[in-house]
Amino acid sequence: EVQLVESGGGLVQPGGSLRLSCAASGFTFSSYWMTWVRQAPGKGLEWVANIRQDGSEKYYVDSVKGRFTISRDNAKNSLYLQMNSLRAEDTAVYYCAPLPSNAPPKYWGQGTLVTVSS
Amino acid sequence: QSVLTQPPSVSAAPGQKVTISCSGSSSNIGNNCVSWYRQFPGTAPKLLIYECNKRPSGIPDRFSGSKSGTSATLAITGLQTGDEADYYCGAWDSSLSAGVFGGGTKLTVL
Repeated sequence: EVQLVESGGGLVQPGGSLRLSCAASGFTFSSYWMTWVRQAPGKGLEWVANIRQDGSEKYYVDSVKGRFTISRDNAKNSLYLQMNSLRAEDTAVYYCAPLPSNAPPKYWGQGTLVTVSS
Repeated sequence: QSVLTQPPSVSAAPGQKVTISCSGSSSNIGNNCVSWYRQFPGTAPKLLIYECNKRPSGIPDRFSGSKSGTSATLAITGLQTGDEADYYCGAWDSSLSAGVFGGGTKLTVL
């Protein structure tokens, strides 16, 4: 059974930083592109970032480029999202997910809530 | 502004059929299949349809998906009050190298 457990969310002031983690199990982590998707309160799903199996390719939505960094540790079956210079509009539940080939996610974790507020 | 376009809301009576549309472009729906998700308040999305028209184990055949050109449709027959939720479409976008989503459709079962 695929399990994805996100952690690291919380309340942070504008301009602050957070590092999200995602512990994956139940599938061969190193064989999949991984993604972060977020959902602001009352809003829809928004893709944030993708990372290739070996970490050699990374893609970001324009609104987080230069501020967020996606990374992974295949030895630990873990995905990370370093978020710097946080803004109020980054407030959302952040989900991690494996990406099937050229398709959106099939499996979702429970998400971790990031609140950016003074 | 979501990459894929869905109607904000749809409604129908119990037992009836409802369809939810999802419109995109050649870089996403036009050349890739669509997935559909259902989300209840406070919970994570759950996959209903993948690869345009396939249902994961445990999803009843009341749910079906189709695609034509750059649009896709989720159909739900035999509506139940428990189907009230938000529904999202998703597709791979070849230009972005990312999964993209619609803004969601709130289904009300009257």
